[in-house]
Amino acid sequence: SQQGEEDPQALSIQEGENATMNCSYKTSINNLQWYRQNSGRGLVHLILIRSNEREKHSGRLRVTLDTSKKSSSLLITASRAADTASYFCASRKAAGNKLTFGGGTRVLVKP
Amino acid sequence: EPEVTQTPSHQVTQMGQEVILRCVPISNHLYFYWYRQILGQKVEFLVSFYNNEISEKSEIFDDQFSVERPDGSNFTLKIRSTKLEDSAMYFCASSVAGGNTGELFFGEGSRLTVL
Repeated sequence: SQQGEEDPQALSIQEGENATMNCSYKTSINNLQWYRQNSGRGLVHLILIRSNEREKHSGRLRVTLDTSKKSSSLLITASRAADTASYFCASRKAAGNKLTFGGGTRVLVKP
Repeated sequence: EPEVTQTPSHQVTQMGQEVILRCVPISNHLYFYWYRQILGQKVEFLVSFYNNEISEKSEIFDDQFSVERPDGSNFTLKIRSTKLEDSAMYFCASSVAGGNTGELFFGEGSRLTVL
């Protein structure tokens, strides 16, 4: 598999529930980022976690990073219908500037 | 709030034709990127550009592709002879910095349809 694979591919939850999605990557990274994409729109940056960080919070978002397992998770707490979107992780290697995106998790939050 | 703007939003072209996609990155950003996404699938890296030259490119970015920053504001992607498989959404992005601090700001994309 390629750098940055998300799991699950799709997630359907009720409003108010938490949504958790995971991401794995292959090589050593400088940082890992999560982006959101509404259907047919551009990607919007949500949160960045550096390789020396283990957990980060931003509002209802919580991101963890486990460099020993080369994995990250994104938790959206108390989900809302407006959180319906695709969520992508993207990793940046130690050398270079490009971000490598995973396949994304499609999240549907039902009202 | 500053944003990355892309034109056109949608272009339909015949196979073999040249296409130029245009982007205006955020003004104080130094790093520029093109990505593409086929039918809501994985977002694929094409090329990164810094200091007026390509810093990285992917295997997708072959001789049919080129990028230019013709003036202080525009950043263009040219596809010389389009193929059916070039049909995709093309996203431009920019960042202030690379390395450990560079979050990317994306435009809304240019949808390219090759017939």
